[in-house]
Amino acid sequence: QLQLQESGPGLVRPSQTLSLTCTVSGGSVNSTVYYWNWVRQHPGKGLEWIGYIFHSGSTYYNPSLESRVAISKDTSNNQFSLNLNSVTAADTAVYYCASAENLYFRYWGQGSLVTVSS
Amino acid sequence: DIQMTQSPSTVSASVGDSVTITCRASQSIVSWLAWYQQKPGKAPKLLIYHGSILESGVSSRFSGSGSGTEFTLTIRSLQPDDFATYYCQQYDDYRSFGQGTKVEIK
Repeated sequence: QLQLQESGPGLVRPSQTLSLTCTVSGGSVNSTVYYWNWVRQHPGKGLEWIGYIFHSGSTYYNPSLESRVAISKDTSNNQFSLNLNSVTAADTAVYYCASAENLYFRYWGQGSLVTVSS
Repeated sequence: DIQMTQSPSTVSASVGDSVTITCRASQSIVSWLAWYQQKPGKAPKLLIYHGSILESGVSSRFSGSGSGTEFTLTIRSLQPDDFATYYCQQYDDYRSFGQGTKVEIK
């Protein structure tokens, strides 16, 4: 069974880059089975898909965030990462990493609250 | 972009009641739809995928139906543990979620 764990700073300054890492156990980020996703949830709001990376390194992003987002993977540490640049207060949210075998999300991390504030 | 609209936003119900939540897509998504349950401070939990397939380990009191643009999630005989927020998610084109439906205790 896959387990995912987010890590990264809880506070990011406006205009800076938000960086989070998801460590995967129980499976490999090189697996041809899974898509590795990031999803966020603004405080008290619904869920927003950010994007995913596939085993090949191919990435797909939410068009609304595409200009500011990059998802990458680190095979040696079995991790994948999210970078979101030029952040504003509107990027304050709980960020989840999640794996998808067939495009729906079966395994989730516990979530990481990131606050954008000076 | 495919927009997902859930109704109602909130439903008040009692233990033992049945509840139905509707999810409408702005265009056909065939059966590429999943349902999740989320409790405060927790990650969402997959309940149903492909519109009607129950995830392993999920109670059979949950059922999903629909295709095309209209889908429903039905919870029979509500239990205390079922009071939560429910989201639909399409995976026909990119991914997008409905805005959520909170099932609260009447």
